[in-house]
Amino acid sequence: DIQVTQSPSTLSASVGDRVTITCRASQSISSWLAWYQQKPGKAPKLLIYKASHLQGGVPSRFSGSGSGTESTLTISSLQPDDFATYYCQHYNSFSRTFGQGTKVEIK
Amino acid sequence: QVQLVQSGAEVKKPGASVKVSCKASGYTFSNYGLSWVRQAPGQGLEWVGWISTSKGNTSYTQKFQGRVTMTTDTSTSTAYMELRSLRYDDTAVYYCARDRIAMASFDRWGQGTLVTVSS
Repeated sequence: DIQVTQSPSTLSASVGDRVTITCRASQSISSWLAWYQQKPGKAPKLLIYKASHLQGGVPSRFSGSGSGTESTLTISSLQPDDFATYYCQHYNSFSRTFGQGTKVEIK
Repeated sequence: QVQLVQSGAEVKKPGASVKVSCKASGYTFSNYGLSWVRQAPGQGLEWVGWISTSKGNTSYTQKFQGRVTMTTDTSTSTAYMELRSLRYDDTAVYYCARDRIAMASFDRWGQGTLVTVSS
């Protein structure tokens, strides 16, 4: 099975900061990666699919990139609504594996 | 609008079974698969398995093989997940999610169902 490792586990940042979260896989996952945002007590929300495609309705300050074994989620200018936990997800025919999550906290 | 509405919270004893439902509306049910994801208190997301709503094919994480069964009722656009032989560490919020194979992602989620295993 492909293992997915997300880093960092916690990130402290201020409003306006540029934030990057990384997801690494144990083998190539090509572009089969999605990113989700989750707030306490709520279901996750899809942000990015197939590594770099912005889901409809998601602000353009969110972007995804990468291929092979590494992908990144970037928030270009952190907004108050962005303080949440973010998960990457590898998707293939047999499994959909989540990363461990990155909590973005207020600095 | 697309909605996934799940059944209410459950409290079960160890060794019992639980069946959670997920009713879809606002789209053609058989055009998308459904995945189930769980989240233990204070923990991350864990994929449980997937069902094809058109063919009934399933794929379960090895961890749950033999304890979980996913089914659908296309006449009511409802999916079900049954988990048997419940243990204390099965206490979690269980989510259903619309699974878009072509987009390799889950674009709609249910509100979640809290399953508590307690004696």
